[in-house]
Amino acid sequence: QVTLKESGPGILQPSQALSLTCTFSGFSLSTYGMRVSWIRQPSGKGLEWLATIDWDDDKYYNPSLKSRLTVSKDTSNNQAFLKITSMDSADTATYYCAWTSNSGYYFDYWGQGVMVTVSS
Amino acid sequence: DIQMTQSPPSLSASLGETVSIECRASEDIYSNLAWYQQKSGKSPQLLIYYASSLQDGVPSRFSGSGSGTQYSLKISGMQPEDEGVYYCLQGSKYPWTFGGGTKLELK
Repeated sequence: QVTLKESGPGILQPSQALSLTCTFSGFSLSTYGMRVSWIRQPSGKGLEWLATIDWDDDKYYNPSLKSRLTVSKDTSNNQAFLKITSMDSADTATYYCAWTSNSGYYFDYWGQGVMVTVSS
Repeated sequence: DIQMTQSPPSLSASLGETVSIECRASEDIYSNLAWYQQKSGKSPQLLIYYASSLQDGVPSRFSGSGSGTQYSLKISGMQPEDEGVYYCLQGSKYPWTFGGGTKLELK
């Protein structure tokens, strides 16, 4: 059974950097074809894909935020990470991590999400 | 970026009614299309992948079809538990992009 859980600071001030952790079980991010992605959703709005990291450490970023995003992983501890610099109120959202199996082109399973608020 | 235009934005259906939701891509996405259901306060759940493959555990009243730039999700017999927001996702080309969502309510 695959589980994913996001963790983060909850609230941060404008211009600060956001660091999120996705702790997962049921798969290994060192296994061929596995992927972990990050997606966000402002309250009451739609979904936006942010970044993906593959089992072989290939990384993909949304060009609209690419200069601010860094995705990484720690396979020994079954964790993936997302860092977003220069946070602004427009970045207030629920942030999800999600798992893709077999190099698929969709997200098989999502975490419960973590709410991040940017406010002074 | 590939734009995903989803319609309608909202929909109200009676119990047992068949409903359809459409997604149109701005270019050919070669069936790399998934459908998700999101219930209030929950994370999205995968329903359909590769346009027409039913995810394990998803009721058979859900079905997907389409090719090229036009795709649809059909619910054959609306149930109360089908209320929620439905999203399509294209995974053909980065950046992966979602449709704007369809809010489905029981009439």
